[in-house]
Amino acid sequence: SQQGEEDPQALSIQEGENATMNCSYKTSINNLQWYRQNSGRGLVHLILIRSNEREKHSGRLRVTLDTSKKSSSLLITASRAADTASYFCATGPISSGSARQLTFGSGTQLTVLP
Amino acid sequence: DSGVTQTPKHLITATGQRVTLRCSPRSGDLSVYWYQQSLDQGLQFLIQYYNGEERAKGNILERFSAQQFPDLHSELNLSSLELGDSALYFCASSVGGEDYGYTFGSGTRLTVV
Repeated sequence: SQQGEEDPQALSIQEGENATMNCSYKTSINNLQWYRQNSGRGLVHLILIRSNEREKHSGRLRVTLDTSKKSSSLLITASRAADTASYFCATGPISSGSARQLTFGSGTQLTVLP
Repeated sequence: DSGVTQTPKHLITATGQRVTLRCSPRSGDLSVYWYQQSLDQGLQFLIQYYNGEERAKGNILERFSAQQFPDLHSELNLSSLELGDSALYFCASSVGGEDYGYTFGSGTRLTVV
């Protein structure tokens, strides 16, 4: 079952524009992560935000987390054609020990037009 | 190259057969995770191993099994294959701590005909 649901399912923008993707989840989390997947390839870890953090930046990426609303957003600024990919949010459970499986959302397909 | 190696990259087999997918984690990572990605189900967690021991189980069918060996590589065994088992199977590894992301392999594309 999916913990996170991304919105929108698909997004098409022009190069240079900003892209915003949203993620909602259902249960309490320890952290939330975003991944990128180019078509048919493995997922690449982009950024992790802990449950006690509200905002985090990494290069052209900005992630926000609102635990009261159980939602997160990923902003990609000044997008490039190479940003075209599927983006997934993934939630890390609150748990002790070494059981650390992430639950992935359904993904947003981003297309950046040159 | 992510550091996680999965073999084979592609596999085509007939219904009822058995296959083994192999994963070598990134050097130093103790946790290995297996995920199945299909168009209708998305990314589904199957099973996690940590330093040779099973740690968590997800939506893994009884026809599927896995293990992690002393050198930390892992194998996912799929038996009595059905058409619906066709999917991308990913292995990911992490150091095992609380606030670390996963490193994914490039996946094995399984086609059951």
